[in-house]
Amino acid sequence: GAGVSQSPSNKVTEKGKDVELRCDPISGHTALYWYRQSLGQGLEFLIYFQGNSAPDKSGLPSDRFSAERTGGSVSTLTIQRTQQEDSAVYLCASSMRQGQRGYTFGSGTRLTVV
Amino acid sequence: GNSVTQMEGPVTLSEEAFLTINCTYTATGYPSLFWYVQYPGEGLQLLLKATKADDKGSNKGFEATYRKETTSFHLEKGSVQVSDSAVYFCALSGHDNFNKFYFGSGTKLNVKP
Repeated sequence: GAGVSQSPSNKVTEKGKDVELRCDPISGHTALYWYRQSLGQGLEFLIYFQGNSAPDKSGLPSDRFSAERTGGSVSTLTIQRTQQEDSAVYLCASSMRQGQRGYTFGSGTRLTVV
Repeated sequence: GNSVTQMEGPVTLSEEAFLTINCTYTATGYPSLFWYVQYPGEGLQLLLKATKADDKGSNKGFEATYRKETTSFHLEKGSVQVSDSAVYFCALSGHDNFNKFYFGSGTKLNVKP
C-alpha cells in the first residue's frame, strides 16, 4: 500500500482481556518495527522483524506481549491479560532493509485499558 | 549505551520567530541522527536526517547539523509558521544496530499567530 496501515485506530478494552493490533507495512519493505508511545513519553522499542530472520524481541516488556509476522508482510501484536499500564499508542513502522535511512510510521493504535 | 536527550516543552513561539530545539545524544561509534515530526492526530513523519559527522539535514525550512564534537543535533528554523505546531522527536540509530531507533521524549511546539 501507499503507507503503513494500522488497525484498529482506537481500542478500548477491559482489564484482563486479550487484544490484537494489526500492522500492514508498505509493500516491499522487508523490515517492520513495533514501538509504544505512552502519554508524555518518548517512543519505546518493542520488537523488530527483518525478512525471515528471527525477530529482535528485546524490547517486549513482559511475556504477555508477543508479535508475529506472517508471510513477511502483515504483523500482529498481541497483548494478553491487559493491564492499565498497557494503555498507550502502539506504533508500527516499516523500512527497506535496515532502518538507517529512517522508518515510515503508521498512525498508530490508541489502546485504552479500563 | 545509546540514548537521546532533548529539551522539554512545550515551546511557545510567535509566528516568524526563530526556533531551536536542542538534542544531544550518547552513542557508541557513529550513529545516524533523525528528526521526526508528529502533527496533531497524525503519525510520525521523518523530517530530516544526517548519517555522518558535519552533515546537515534539511527539509521544509528546518535544519540540523550533526556535531560529533558536541554530540548534538539541534533542530532550527529561521521563521516558524502556525502550521509547524507539532511534537518533534530527535532519534538515533546506532552504528552497532541500525534496526533499533532510540527516541527522545519529544518537544511540543506551539506557534501562535
